Amino acid sequence: DTEVTQTPKHLVMGMTNKKSLKCEQHMGHRAMYWYKQKAKKPPELMFVYSYEKLSINESVPSRFSPECPNSSLLNLHLHALQPEDSALYLCASSQDRVDEQYFGPGTRLTVT
Amino acid sequence: AQTVTQSQPEMSVQEAETVTLSCTYDTSESDYYLFWYKQPPSRQMILVIRQEAYKQQNATENRFSVNFQKAAKSFSLKISDSQLGDAAMYFCAYLSGGSNYQLIWGAGTKLIIKP
Repeated sequence: DTEVTQTPKHLVMGMTNKKSLKCEQHMGHRAMYWYKQKAKKPPELMFVYSYEKLSINESVPSRFSPECPNSSLLNLHLHALQPEDSALYLCASSQDRVDEQYFGPGTRLTVT
Repeated sequence: AQTVTQSQPEMSVQEAETVTLSCTYDTSESDYYLFWYKQPPSRQMILVIRQEAYKQQNATENRFSVNFQKAAKSFSLKISDSQLGDAAMYFCAYLSGGSNYQLIWGAGTKLIIKP
């Protein structure tokens, strides 16, 4: 099973709302990732968790807050977002550093 | 710093024909990995093929194969017997062997399949 699941599929939120994106994998992978993707562009790395610890934070604004409750789950908490944050948010996982990443279907986020 | 270049923003191919997508990269490292990912309009990014730099043999996966030219720093993807389901954005990506987990992505090539 090479599945990464993400919920919700779509999210519309106002600039004052607080919401969360959820990602789950049951492949025993030790690394999990959040990416932001704009239309027709490659994904941009936001955060990496390795062995449940935050390994990389690509200078992402604090209105995005990641959380890794356990080795299978990854959350992205959203607060006071801007319209330019509207994008597809992808979660991925990999066995370790140099292994291929498996992506979830993404959450389409619209900030109004 | 490593870079990945996909020089073809868009390609089209007749169904059942063969198409080659180009990818070049720049690196001074000897230990690295290369990937092709496919993202259909339904949006899920799917791994197509993986190549380890230390392997001389080109990777293949059913109708998908790569032409890995290490000296030329080229990593093209050949799709044989193109099918309508192959229509997608194709991204080439580089991963350092001394990785801090970060994929370096090309800009992508949109592949159109003509019925």
